[in-house]
Amino acid sequence: AQKITQTQPGMFVQEKEAVTLDCTYDTSDPSYGLFWYKQPSSGEMIFLIYQGSYDQQNATEGRYSLNFQKARKSANLVISASQLGDSAMYFCAMREGQIRQGGSEKLVFGKGTKLTVNP
Amino acid sequence: DSGVTQTPKHLITATGQRVTLRCSPRSGDLSVYWYQQSLDQGLQFLIQYYNGEERAKGNILERFSAQQFPDLHSELNLSSLELGDSALYFCASSVPSYQETQYFGPGTRLLVL
Repeated sequence: AQKITQTQPGMFVQEKEAVTLDCTYDTSDPSYGLFWYKQPSSGEMIFLIYQGSYDQQNATEGRYSLNFQKARKSANLVISASQLGDSAMYFCAMREGQIRQGGSEKLVFGKGTKLTVNP
Repeated sequence: DSGVTQTPKHLITATGQRVTLRCSPRSGDLSVYWYQQSLDQGLQFLIQYYNGEERAKGNILERFSAQQFPDLHSELNLSSLELGDSALYFCASSVPSYQETQYFGPGTRLLVL
């Protein structure tokens, strides 16, 4: 079973509008971290935002916010006031387990959502 | 700029050959991770090193090996290359912290002909 599911292969949004990119995850570990990365056409992976499983509040970073619904195992990324430069692939990723408790801090990625911002 | 450097940026080689990809983590980061991104497999974890020691292996082929040196830079060695090894190879590093956020290098784009 996939650990990270991103059901939207592609999304379109008008400039200056908000957009939500969906991500659901599957884990039985109570301790985990959820990440969103942006990959522009140039190829680099840019860290956007982090949400820990024990965090009480939804994470925010500038125009990015994470809608974390633990019971539903979803961690949707919300981009407000979209800009043309937001056009890129967006990846949701999860790290399972407590950090440095014998396991690995590897990330498991979803297949990504391609966001296109229209002028 | 994430602070993680990777060389070379592009690599074109032939089947059967061997290549070495190099990664320098951000200053102070102890963990180095290698990931492979291909069209069919997506982004997959290959291997992790922590302060010079191998910590975890993912879907890394036996033809591939890696190491982390005392100065914490890392190398990924790919041998007996096949067409299917063509991919974007990322190195990432992280500092021990609550988040353990991984910062990615620009990647090495490998094309096997």
